[in-house]
Amino acid sequence: DAGVIQSPRHEVTEMGQEVTLRCKPISGHDYLFWYRQTMMRGLELLIYFNNNVPIDDSGMPEDRFSAKMPNASFSTLKIQPSEPRDSAVYFCASSLRAGGPSGELFFGEGSRLTVL
Amino acid sequence: DQQVKQNSPSLSVQEGRISILNCDYTNSMFDYFLWYKKYPAEGPTFLISISSIKDKNEDGRFTVFLNKSAKHLTLHIVPSQPGDSAVYFCAAQRKNYGGSQGNLIFGKGTKLSVKP
Repeated sequence: DAGVIQSPRHEVTEMGQEVTLRCKPISGHDYLFWYRQTMMRGLELLIYFNNNVPIDDSGMPEDRFSAKMPNASFSTLKIQPSEPRDSAVYFCASSLRAGGPSGELFFGEGSRLTVL
Repeated sequence: DQQVKQNSPSLSVQEGRISILNCDYTNSMFDYFLWYKKYPAEGPTFLISISSIKDKNEDGRFTVFLNKSAKHLTLHIVPSQPGDSAVYFCAAQRKNYGGSQGNLIFGKGTKLSVKP
């Protein structure tokens, strides 16, 4: 049974370039989350979707960040233009419910982004 | 301001002994708490959870204790094994006003090293 699949695993790019991170959630999970992990801030929620609809994007740092979920099996997180301070590990996670029992998050392996 | 705090960035324990990881929270509205475990280059994986109506939940070698009056959780691992060496994240959740479960708020993690 495949888990959450993220690509790319590693991305090194130059400042100003566009970055697109991709995620395939676990089939049947109605919720999809994008998290960012940094040393300073730990794991912080950027945005989450329910049934492909964005529910809360208050964690998206600024307009350079955008996320889409065109269908139940695919989501993208785009940064345009990228900046060095965007360097982090970006995790996608999915869950059956919004939380509580049986609402545990299943994380992908993460996409490590380095912006030079 | 951090709503979930893990004040010990690291912990070292001898194999076979007990590991005790601590977590404090500030929001009294949190009603569900979880621990996630993360190995290097992998995403966090769910370990154990506890509802605010309980003060203890046990799963094999892992036990989570909740002290609501102190707004404090602990995760006990007994006996500790070298394979338990990982970063452990505490997370908390609250119900939204509409009754749905709110977002997970993560602590910054504690790196546990279990020495053979």
